[in-house]
Amino acid sequence: SQKIEQNSEALNIQEGKTATLTCNYTNYSPAYLQWYRQDPGRGPVFLLLIRENEKEKRKERLKVTFDTTLKQSLFHITASQPADSATYLCALDPIYSGGYNKLIFGAGTRLAVHP
Amino acid sequence: SAVISQKPSRDICQRGTSLTIQCQVDSQVTMMFWYRQQPGQSLTLIATANQGSEATYESGFVIDKFPISRPNLTFSTLTVSNMSPEDSSIYLCSVRQASGNTIYFGEGSWLTVV
Repeated sequence: SQKIEQNSEALNIQEGKTATLTCNYTNYSPAYLQWYRQDPGRGPVFLLLIRENEKEKRKERLKVTFDTTLKQSLFHITASQPADSATYLCALDPIYSGGYNKLIFGAGTRLAVHP
Repeated sequence: SAVISQKPSRDICQRGTSLTIQCQVDSQVTMMFWYRQQPGQSLTLIATANQGSEATYESGFVIDKFPISRPNLTFSTLTVSNMSPEDSSIYLCSVRQASGNTIYFGEGSWLTVV
């Protein structure tokens, strides 16, 4: 079956360290993969999109990698801050989604950055 | 980007009643979607709202329970019918613009069924 897996356990790190979150998927061949941030009681906010022909994408302190052989994306936040504490969602747009271009989401990983 | 407004933002509903959630976008968009996020869970796609035709529902969701309208390219409604406590959830409207692959979300409508 098709699955998107993110670490369900919360990730606790110290301020200033690099946070690394993992997204694994099976039985999909996505054209691209996206990462979103969600704060409690709020809608998800788009962060980064990486295409299947891109190995790495950066935006300020954020970095995303995409390994289509491993079927894995890694999301890094460098020099993390308490304000980075949130749930981070991985989402992919399956190539063969019946033309609806819908997004399928992972369950998300909660990140807590401690001062 | 797109600015998405959802109403109501929160509501407490009686069991057996129905509630309609509105989603207004500040620009014309090609795709509009409705998601549900139950407490502690990730987002589950309910349906794609199609302009001028019936919505396309995902497995496990039916039109009788979640009727959807999309009369134009900037507006959609989702009705949660005959509500039960299991319908307590955040309902999120999202859109995709023709020019990109990013999906933008509204702030959500938090429904509690008692």
